[in-house]
Amino acid sequence: AQSVAQPEDQVNVAEGNPLTVKCTYSVSGNPYLFWYVQYPNRGLQFLLKYITGDNLVKGSYGFEAEFNKSQTSFHLKKPSALVSDSALYFCAVRDMDSSYKLIFGSGTRLLVRP
Amino acid sequence: DSGVTQTPKHLITATGQRVTLRCSPRSGDLSVYWYQQSLDQGLQFLIQYYNGEERAKGNILERFSAQQFPDLHSELNLSSLELGDSALYFCASSPPGTGNEKLFFGSGTQLSVL
Repeated sequence: AQSVAQPEDQVNVAEGNPLTVKCTYSVSGNPYLFWYVQYPNRGLQFLLKYITGDNLVKGSYGFEAEFNKSQTSFHLKKPSALVSDSALYFCAVRDMDSSYKLIFGSGTRLLVRP
Repeated sequence: DSGVTQTPKHLITATGQRVTLRCSPRSGDLSVYWYQQSLDQGLQFLIQYYNGEERAKGNILERFSAQQFPDLHSELNLSSLELGDSALYFCASSPPGTGNEKLFFGSGTQLSVL
């Protein structure tokens, strides 16, 4: 069965510092991976996706993610964090048995302090 | 604003009751997805419709049902409600031909069962 794991419930970082939100996946075959962000009282917003190609994927709001096949990871990164980046971040993988659904991780709360 | 509209934003009801959640997808989107978000279960895929037809089913209880109408809006019906059904219910839509590679989420309906 396909799954993603987000090992950290919360990540704290100071504004201006680089941030990393971790995600590991377990799939059979080539994974389709995604990151979404959820701001308070809002729905999820798409940040970026990895389907194939370059291992470094660039997305919205200055975020990027690095696909690492050997480590089965897809960590979300940003070189310089902003207070406004504070939100809940979800990693997701396409279910290869049912391509119509995304399987989401448990979410990681990012807190950027001024 | 994602363009996906969900009503109502909040719903408070009692155990044993039945409620209907409504979703209007973005203009031009044919697919509608329903997700349930709760503290203990995280984000769970419930069901997907494409142009009026059911495409995929996830962890949807038999007490729950959904449909997509000719004008492409969708309704999620929850019956014989239990305390554990309290959650945030999201609807999402995706552009034709993209599968679920990029979902646009509504702001959700917060259901409280008392």
